[in-house]
Amino acid sequence: QKEVEQDPGPLSVPEGAIVSLNCTYSNSAFQYFMWYRQYSRKGPELLMYTYSSGNKEDGRFTAQVDKSSKYISLFIRDSQPSDSATYLCAMSVPSGGSYIPTFGRGTSLIVHP
Amino acid sequence: NAGVTQTPKFRVLKTGQSMTLLCAQDMNHEYMYWYRQDPGMGLRLIHYSVGEGTTAKGEVPDGYNVSRLKKQNFLLGLESAAPSQTSVYFCASSYSRGESPSQPQHFGDGTRLSIL
Repeated sequence: QKEVEQDPGPLSVPEGAIVSLNCTYSNSAFQYFMWYRQYSRKGPELLMYTYSSGNKEDGRFTAQVDKSSKYISLFIRDSQPSDSATYLCAMSVPSGGSYIPTFGRGTSLIVHP
Repeated sequence: NAGVTQTPKFRVLKTGQSMTLLCAQDMNHEYMYWYRQDPGMGLRLIHYSVGEGTTAKGEVPDGYNVSRLKKQNFLLGLESAAPSQTSVYFCASSYSRGESPSQPQHFGDGTRLSIL
């Protein structure tokens, strides 16, 4: 079993929908949680970065971490066709432990007009 | 500010040939990484470096070598290319002094390598 599990999709939604992307993990030492967006034929780019539990909002994007359930989510409100991409979750332990992030396999999102 | 630059962007090799992929970063980052990305497999770490002159093995190091002679550059070498090494290769960097080493990574746009 991988340390980080992520459904590869594809997830297809109509424009304007609320999108929920999720990852589960098994290592309780993870404390830094990241979401990357990767467009076709491009490298991943950092979208959201959170530390520990709770919510973080940035425009149409909200990252949520539930450490008790070992579950993280990325919500996209008012989704746009330009949001069509692969979304990768990643997580790492604090300084002093393993600083190498562990990535999920990515979820392919398609937002159709 | 270019960030992370990978060269070449695309290459076709024959089995048994060798080549070197170059990664350069201009953010004064201490850590650099090489990943490969294959369909359904996600990002897999090949090798990484925590500073100039250091290298370490990742999850899938076999068939690859790396060098970090200068802080801003990280080279990935294939000594004898095999079809199983057909993939998209991404370089990433992270961590400037004064930050947490757990800072997120910055990625290049990849090198698409096909081995026939």
